[in-house]
Amino acid sequence: DSGVTQTPKHLITATGQRVTLRCSPRSGDLSVYWYQQSLDQGLQFLIQYYNGEERAKGNILERFSAQQFPDLHSELNLSSLELGDSALYFCASTPLSGGRTDTQYFGPGTRLTVL
Amino acid sequence: AQSVAQPEDQVNVAEGNPLTVKCTYSVSGNPYLFWYVQYPNRGLQFLLKYITGDNLVKGSYGFEAEFNKSQTSFHLKKPSALVSDSALYFCAVRAGGSTLGRLYFGRGTQLTVWP
Repeated sequence: DSGVTQTPKHLITATGQRVTLRCSPRSGDLSVYWYQQSLDQGLQFLIQYYNGEERAKGNILERFSAQQFPDLHSELNLSSLELGDSALYFCASTPLSGGRTDTQYFGPGTRLTVL
Repeated sequence: AQSVAQPEDQVNVAEGNPLTVKCTYSVSGNPYLFWYVQYPNRGLQFLLKYITGDNLVKGSYGFEAEFNKSQTSFHLKKPSALVSDSALYFCAVRAGGSTLGRLYFGRGTQLTVWP
């Protein structure tokens, strides 16, 4: 158990809908990272938050957004969902801002299925 | 640009035999390299990392990895494979600069250890 929690474990929804994925980092960790794992794209970095502020942005679609709250949990919002958004969404956390030597510890993921 | 290649989609090995999962990388500046393992319906578990120092890094569950700067490789090894090692293995790299913190992942290698 990495100490990173994600809810829900599974999510099934329809095209055009909006969903929110939640992540709680390990106790004391200030940075949260979101990744998408799909069969065709593999594991792709989406976005990083550090202590409430956006730190780095990757291949995140404009339909997706994220935020980190004062209690350091993070939410990833996916809107106008398309079939291609079906994937496993992971979050990870590190103690600080993601220094080069920091290990990212991953949560169990949320499996999103868009029908 | 940073990238990771895992040239083998699948590696099959008999229990008790040594195993190697290959990884090569391309990164500007010093590489910081990681191996993760993913079991079915689970998140990514951290195995080991190379930051600096000894080229042979020891990690969890008897795994080790050898960093080779001239060949830009970071192969994962284990002297004696177990059936329970069967899983999906990911190599990842991080570099400094504006992308500080994010990991670039390979496509993954499915390891199957048969009894």
